[in-house]
Formats: sequence, structure tokens, C-alpha cells
Amino acid sequence: TQLLEQSPQFLSIQEGENLTVYCNSSSVFSSLQWYRQEPGEGPVLLVTVVTGGEVKKLKRLTFQFGDARKDSSLHITAAQPGDTGLYLCAGPNYGGSQGNLIFGKGTKLSVKP
Amino acid sequence: DAGVIQSPRHEVTEMGQEVTLRCKPISGHNSLFWYRQTMMRGLELLIYFNNNVPIDDSGMPEDRFSAKMPNASFSTLKIQPSEPRDSAVYFCASSRTGEGSQPQHFGDGTRLSIL
Repeated sequence: TQLLEQSPQFLSIQEGENLTVYCNSSSVFSSLQWYRQEPGEGPVLLVTVVTGGEVKKLKRLTFQFGDARKDSSLHITAAQPGDTGLYLCAGPNYGGSQGNLIFGKGTKLSVKP
Repeated sequence: DAGVIQSPRHEVTEMGQEVTLRCKPISGHNSLFWYRQTMMRGLELLIYFNNNVPIDDSGMPEDRFSAKMPNASFSTLKIQPSEPRDSAVYFCASSRTGEGSQPQHFGDGTRLSIL
């Protein structure tokens, strides 16, 4: 069974601090997606990483896919209150029928002004 | 372009009542997914459709849950009879194709409370 473990589960920091959240699995994924979910809304795709070792940047957010394609990290530089939300990683499910994503349980980030 | 539209946004009802959640996917998207989100279990896939055909319903908790997709622009998730443990936020999402690598576009969810 494919599982995606995210850590930490909760993170509360002050504006301006840097942080890293992790998404780990014992399974190899062909790609991983990162979503952000704000309160009262559905998850919104931030980025997809496809190649082992790949690094993608989205303004102050840096996403990395592990060389073995079993893990990924999200680093936020100089966090702002607008970064507050639930960060979810997801990967294609090849264990059962194809076509759906497996989601981690997420990291709930709170950035205080 | 309009995103995925879900209705109602909130539903409060008494246990035993029938609950129907509705979803309109993004036009041109061939796959539709129903999820349930709780603090304890996170985001769980209930069922997904490809070209209006149910592909995998192994996540549907029990026979009280049913889902239909009569056409490419509409889907329903029904709970009958509802129970307090069904209280959660239910999301609908759509994607262009049925490939697992495709990004999914989510609606804003229906927050369901069963008293």
C-alpha cells in the first residue's frame, strides 16, 4: 500500500522565519504534487515535480523531489501570514486502479504577524 | 473560467435524513472525484468517475453512500440514511484525464453536520 507521510503535522511560526515541510514514502512515485488549502476552500495545486532531484521555485517557495523519487520537501523563505494554510502532497496511485491520487494528511502551517 | 462548483456549501440535518451533495465539474474535464476530509483521517477518496463511468468506489464507506454521474456536467453523492459519523467536509474535484499524474481542481466543499 502506498502511503505519503507528511511532517510536521502542525507548524506555528512568526512572520519572516524560514521553514521546511516534508513528504516521505517507502514507495517510488513517478511524480508528486503539492497543494495548499486555505480555510473554507478546496486544495489548490502549487506545483508538480516529475524528475528525481528536481528543484522548482515558486516565488518564496522551493520544492524538491528526492533523487530516488520517494520523498519531497517544501521550503518557504521569509514566511508571511498569507502562507498560512494546510500543505498537502499527493502522488499517483498505482497500487489499485489507476487514475487517482494518494494524499498525505498534510502540514498545517500558521504564520503569525 | 468557472471552477468546480459544489452545492450546498453547508448542510445541517438530523440523523436518518437523506443528504444529497451536488457537483458540477470544469467543462472539458473527463474525470471526477469525490473526497471526504476530516481532521483524523485527512482527505479520503470515496469514488471517482472517468467519462461518467464509476472506476473505483472502494473508498465508499458502506451501502448508505451512493454516487451517480448522469452526464459530463453533473454528479451527486447521496447518503441515506445519514449518521453523525458522516459529519465532515466533502469535496468534489475534476481533472482533464484519468491519468493519476494529472492535477486535480477542487471545489470549495460542502460542510456536512449530522446531528
